[in-house]
Amino acid sequence: QAQLVESGGGLVEPGGSLRLSCAASGFTFSHYYMSWIRQAPGKGLEWISYITNSNGYTNYADSVKGRFTISRDNARNSLFLQMNNLRAEDTAVYYCAADKYYSQSGGYLPESWGQGTLVTVS
Amino acid sequence: QSALTQPASVSGSPGQSITISCTGASSDVGTYHLVSWYQQFPGKAPKLIISEVNKRPSGVSDRFSGSISGNTASLTISGLQAEDEADYYCCSYVGYVTLYVFGTGTTVTVL
Repeated sequence: QAQLVESGGGLVEPGGSLRLSCAASGFTFSHYYMSWIRQAPGKGLEWISYITNSNGYTNYADSVKGRFTISRDNARNSLFLQMNNLRAEDTAVYYCAADKYYSQSGGYLPESWGQGTLVTVS
Repeated sequence: QSALTQPASVSGSPGQSITISCTGASSDVGTYHLVSWYQQFPGKAPKLIISEVNKRPSGVSDRFSGSISGNTASLTISGLQAEDEADYYCCSYVGYVTLYVFGTGTTVTVL
């Protein structure tokens, strides 16, 4: 059974930095695309970044592009999100998700989620 | 890429059936027909309840079902129960730039 555990959230001042981690277990981490998804207080879900399984290709939502960096360590079954120049609007619960490949459609959707870690920028 | 459109709230009495719509565009739902649904309780992480439009993961009640028509996906909850009160989000694959986009979310209330 897949398990994802995020850590690294907390309170940070505007302009500050945080590094989130996500420890994966119970599945073959190196086979999965991985994403970070966030949810502002009382708001909906927002995909913010993904990284491919092997060649490490990455992409970002416009809201975080140039400020956030996603990375992974397949040897340690770990996903990371380096967040710089944080803004008040980045305040949210941040989830890591394992993205499953659906061969019939040729696409990806989040399958497993962590419990989330709260980032407060104030 | 814009969020998919869901009704803000849907309600029903115990035992009734309700349907939540998820409307996208020809560039997302209409093109890829790859949609999933998630159930989220307050303070908890989302949980996958429907994948690939209409497939239920192991352990998910068969009272949950999904369908798609054109640019709109739908989630139907049959035999509504008090434990179904939660927020529900759809999600559509949209390609290798954004990867996927979520719906605006629907709060289900059992009267």
